[in-house]
Amino acid sequence: RKEVEQDPGPFNVPEGATVAFNCTYSNSASQSFFWYRQDCRKEPKLLMSVYSSGNEDGRFTAQLNRASQYISLLIRDSKLSDSATYLCVVTNTGFQKLVFGTGTRLLVSP
Amino acid sequence: NAGVTQTPKFRVLKTGQSMTLLCAQDMNHEYMYWYRQDPGMGLRLIHYSVGEGTTAKGEVPDGYNVSRLKKQNFLLGLESAAPSQTSVYFCASSPGTATYEQYFGPGTRLTVT
Repeated sequence: RKEVEQDPGPFNVPEGATVAFNCTYSNSASQSFFWYRQDCRKEPKLLMSVYSSGNEDGRFTAQLNRASQYISLLIRDSKLSDSATYLCVVTNTGFQKLVFGTGTRLLVSP
Repeated sequence: NAGVTQTPKFRVLKTGQSMTLLCAQDMNHEYMYWYRQDPGMGLRLIHYSVGEGTTAKGEVPDGYNVSRLKKQNFLLGLESAAPSQTSVYFCASSPGTATYEQYFGPGTRLTVT
């Protein structure tokens, strides 16, 4: 079983739609959680951290459910520029090593 | 402030050839990492360094060596390239403090024929 699992998609949505991605992780000792964004043929960049209390950054909302070991990302009012691959990332104990999911691809169309 | 840079951007090698990928960061970060990204596999950690003069193995270290002689540079070497090492290689750095954010370079696309 992969340590971090994501639906690869693609999720095809029209502009203005709301879309949600989920991610599950297997290590109950995982300490920190993130969403990274990766544009086609580019490097990953941090989108947002994920906290137990949930956090929001503009149109983006991230949630963490430790009991069920899943993380979610909600994007409201989708823009064409949101088209990218979204990587779910967790860290484990002892060191700043990130474990990446394989990513969920989002395509926003006009 | 260039952030994290990688050299070269593209390379084609024949099986058995050697090469070195260079990563440089100008943010005075303590930690540096090398990843490879393959379709359907996600990013996998090859080697990492927690400071100048230190290196450690990651998830997929076989066939690679690294060196961190200067804080700002992290080199990844392939001694005898194999087709299985065809991949996109990303270098990243992080401050090594309270934040876990890693800053990535633009990547090196390597093809081994």
